[in-house]
Amino acid sequence: EAQVTQNPRYLITVTGKKLTVTCSQNMNHEYMSWYRQDPGLGLRQIYYSMNVEVTDKGDVPEGYKVSRKEKRNFPLILESPSPNQTSLYFCASSFLRDKQYFGPGTRLTVT
Amino acid sequence: AQSVTQLDSHVSVSEGTPVLLRCNYSSSYSPSLFWYVQHPNKGLQLLLKYTSAATLVKGINGFEAEFKKSETSFHLTKPSAHMSDAAEYFCVVSDQTGTYKYIFGTGTRLKVLA
Repeated sequence: EAQVTQNPRYLITVTGKKLTVTCSQNMNHEYMSWYRQDPGLGLRQIYYSMNVEVTDKGDVPEGYKVSRKEKRNFPLILESPSPNQTSLYFCASSFLRDKQYFGPGTRLTVT
Repeated sequence: AQSVTQLDSHVSVSEGTPVLLRCNYSSSYSPSLFWYVQHPNKGLQLLLKYTSAATLVKGINGFEAEFKKSETSFHLTKPSAHMSDAAEYFCVVSDQTGTYKYIFGTGTRLKVLA
């Protein structure tokens, strides 16, 4: 089954404790992306990747890191999480400029 | 620079009446345009996409959208609302050239009244 998986689905952590949210797709898509969703703001793109070892900033990259060492995986790293990063996070993948397939979301709370 | 404006944050319709969700975009190049739907506590599902073929695009569940370049609009319509259409809808733009960013609108929450 074609899918995008994210782990964990729910995470509660404390300020400053490094964390990684994993994302994996099984559709051989070149393009992968991370978004955060906040009430009234829609989805905002954090980082995206056009292919292995090629990443670029979206509109809200501050406080986040990504890497793309393999085509199927695109982890999101928060080196020092802060409460303003409490949000719902979605990973997505697609062929370039095509419809995106979204993961189920990761609800992160930073206290 | 790309941008998307969803003109209504909330829309209420009665079941069986038409739905109109409005979206205006700004793009330096020929855009790809999408509508996604998000049901409560669910992920996002593609309704339809426009990529410079026919200007009237048909999607799933009876939805369609018309690309109007002169008005820079991509409004979503459905002839007859169903209770199951209650959800949040997002208009999305991606340039055909230039950056590879996707820009989401802030969303329109559709309420369907019995």
